[in-house]
Amino acid sequence: NAGVTQTPKFQVLKTGQSMTLQCAQDMNHNSMYWYRQDPGMGLRLIYYSASEGTTDKGEVPNGYNVSRLNKREFSLRLESAAPSQTSVYFCASSELQGATNEKLFFGSGTQLSVL
Amino acid sequence: GIQVEQSPPDLILQEGANSTLRCNFSDSVNNLQWFHQNPWGQLINLFYIPSGTKQNGRLSATTVATERYSLLYISSSQTTDSGVYFCAVSGWGYQKVTFGIGTKLQVIP
Repeated sequence: NAGVTQTPKFQVLKTGQSMTLQCAQDMNHNSMYWYRQDPGMGLRLIYYSASEGTTDKGEVPNGYNVSRLNKREFSLRLESAAPSQTSVYFCASSELQGATNEKLFFGSGTQLSVL
Repeated sequence: GIQVEQSPPDLILQEGANSTLRCNFSDSVNNLQWFHQNPWGQLINLFYIPSGTKQNGRLSATTVATERYSLLYISSSQTTDSGVYFCAVSGWGYQKVTFGIGTKLQVIP
């Protein structure tokens, strides 16, 4: 039982390059999330998927796209990376977004640098 | 959306000391969680506590929902307690989780 698995753990991109961050969970959770963490700003929600087949914007969606491939997998794509997207990215999952007893479980993070 | 404020922003403790971290939120919540981010970046869910008191070993948490705050107590601190502690809340009506900016704790031997 691995929980939430993210790949890659580290990535360096040049401005304008594209890449996809992968996330998979094996807890049979309905909801999945992508956050970014920047110094002094806590975690900010980029996109989320409340259930399979749905995705919605979070607080900072600009420059990103997501795909809920199936119940287990939720990917985050940077189409044209910019230095402002240098950050640590976390994927998370929960049984059901917004539910009273919702508990978030996080992956180990992806450290992304855009030069 | 709900605003979350955590205090203090930074805290340095001698090993064995006790501490209290505070989380204030601006509206009623149906969900409140405390997380610990260790120095390697891993985020661990400590407590789910929208109201009441819970204890887990040396850690305990209390949420007073009517007064819109939560407290995380760390007793007999150890160097492994170092890291950043986040409070995260969500409001009623299937709102998304909002994180505070955290309290950075350093426990020195």
